[in-house]
Amino acid sequence: DADVTQTPRNRITKTGKRIMLECSQTKGHDRMYWYRQDPGLGLRLIYYSFDVKDINKGEISDGYSVSRQAQAKFSLSLESAIPNQTALYFCATSDPVKLTDTQYFGPGTRLTVL
Amino acid sequence: SQQGEEDPQALSIQEGENATMNCSYKTSINNLQWYRQNSGRGLVHLILIRSNEREKHSGRLRVTLDTSKKSSSLLITASRAADTASYFCATDDRGSTLGRLYFGRGTQLTVWP
Repeated sequence: DADVTQTPRNRITKTGKRIMLECSQTKGHDRMYWYRQDPGLGLRLIYYSFDVKDINKGEISDGYSVSRQAQAKFSLSLESAIPNQTALYFCATSDPVKLTDTQYFGPGTRLTVL
Repeated sequence: SQQGEEDPQALSIQEGENATMNCSYKTSINNLQWYRQNSGRGLVHLILIRSNEREKHSGRLRVTLDTSKKSSSLLITASRAADTASYFCATDDRGSTLGRLYFGRGTQLTVWP
């Protein structure tokens, strides 16, 4: 079974809709991250969380919100989706005990906003 | 702005040839990592090199790090068609928030059979 899972894997929605992307992990890591990937732009950090009570904005948090429901779950919400939020979204985890910041990625959610 | 920048953006080679990708970064780091991404999939960690290391090997991978030039290279020897993927370097930032990585835009490697 995958250590980091994301649901849904694909989503098509319309402008103005609220949607939630979910991430679950079985690695027992405290740190979780949400990235978006656009062609030619690499990965950009949206939000990150270092434990259940910790939420931090990344480079591009406008238009997004997150919820850390438990150590294993980190959700990303688009309150009112717009077409330029069409992208591939990744959740990742890391273990601070290792002191290397190596991150483990989920399979991604491909989001299309029409 | 992004910390790491890979070069070239795209690389096309024949099976059996070596592939070299470069990464430049801007700030002082604790370590630098390379990741691989198959098309549309999540990134997978390949190798990490610490700031006090100059070279590291893992199977067919060889990574070098030159902290004076703020650059790294990833060499894949005897490439295979299955090596076709995008490769990203990622750095931390010694002067900034621990636990964050900064990714480059990646090098798209195509290995032809």
